[in-house]
Amino acid sequence: KAGVTQTPRYLIKTRGQQVTLSCSPISGHRSVSWYQQTPGQGLQFLFEYFSETQRNKGNFPGRFSGRQFSNSRSEMNVSTLELGDSALYLCASSRGGVGAYNEQFFGPGTRLTVL
Amino acid sequence: AQKITQTQPGMFVQEKEAVTLDCTYDTSDQSYGLFWYKQPSSGEMIFLIYQGSYDEQNATEGRYSLNFQKARKSANLVISASQLGDSAMYFCAMRRDSNYQLIWGAGTKLIIKP
Repeated sequence: KAGVTQTPRYLIKTRGQQVTLSCSPISGHRSVSWYQQTPGQGLQFLFEYFSETQRNKGNFPGRFSGRQFSNSRSEMNVSTLELGDSALYLCASSRGGVGAYNEQFFGPGTRLTVL
Repeated sequence: AQKITQTQPGMFVQEKEAVTLDCTYDTSDQSYGLFWYKQPSSGEMIFLIYQGSYDEQNATEGRYSLNFQKARKSANLVISASQLGDSAMYFCAMRRDSNYQLIWGAGTKLIIKP
C-alpha cells in the first residue's frame, strides 16, 4: 500500500510570490491534515480536510488556504509569501472517523524556503 | 488551554540501554488520545505508539512502551534496548475527541552513542 506522497519535496520562492503544495493520502483515507514545522514555533496545525470540507482550522492568517478534491488529494496554498513562511510543511492522512484515535500517517514533507 | 510539555530538549544514551522520554499534558477533556512520533533527520514523522485516556493498560509496541499516569497527566515513552537507529527527534502529541488536530510538544532530540 503506497504511503502519503507530497510534492514537491523542496521549493525555493521569493517574498511576495505564492506557492501551492500537494498531498496525496493513502488510498481509502478521507482525512488530510496539514502542519507547519519551524525551529522557532515547532509543529503547528494548519487545517484538516475531510470529504472535501474543511473540518478544523488552526491559527494561521488567511494567506494560508487549502482544499481537498473528490479523490481525497489535497492542496495547500500560501499567497504573498513572507520570510517567516520558510518551514517544513507536513501532510498527514487518516481514515478520518470520529474519536481521538485516528492514527495519522505522515508524508515526507515539503521544505519551503522563502528568500 | 491544551498543552504538551516535553522538558528534555536533548538526551544522550548509550547503545543497548533503556531510555525514558518525558511528556506531560494539560487538558480539561475526559476523552483524548496521546501519541508518540519519531522524526529522523530525513523529516518524515513516524508513528510509534498510542494511548487512549480510557485505556487501563499501558500501551506497548515492540521495544516501545508508554508509561501512562493519568492522575499526574504524564505519558512517558520508554524505549528498551536502544539502538543507533533510534537517534532522532521524538514528539509527544495529544488529540481530543472533541477536536481533530494534534497538539504537539517541542520534542526531545535523542542521540544514541555506540
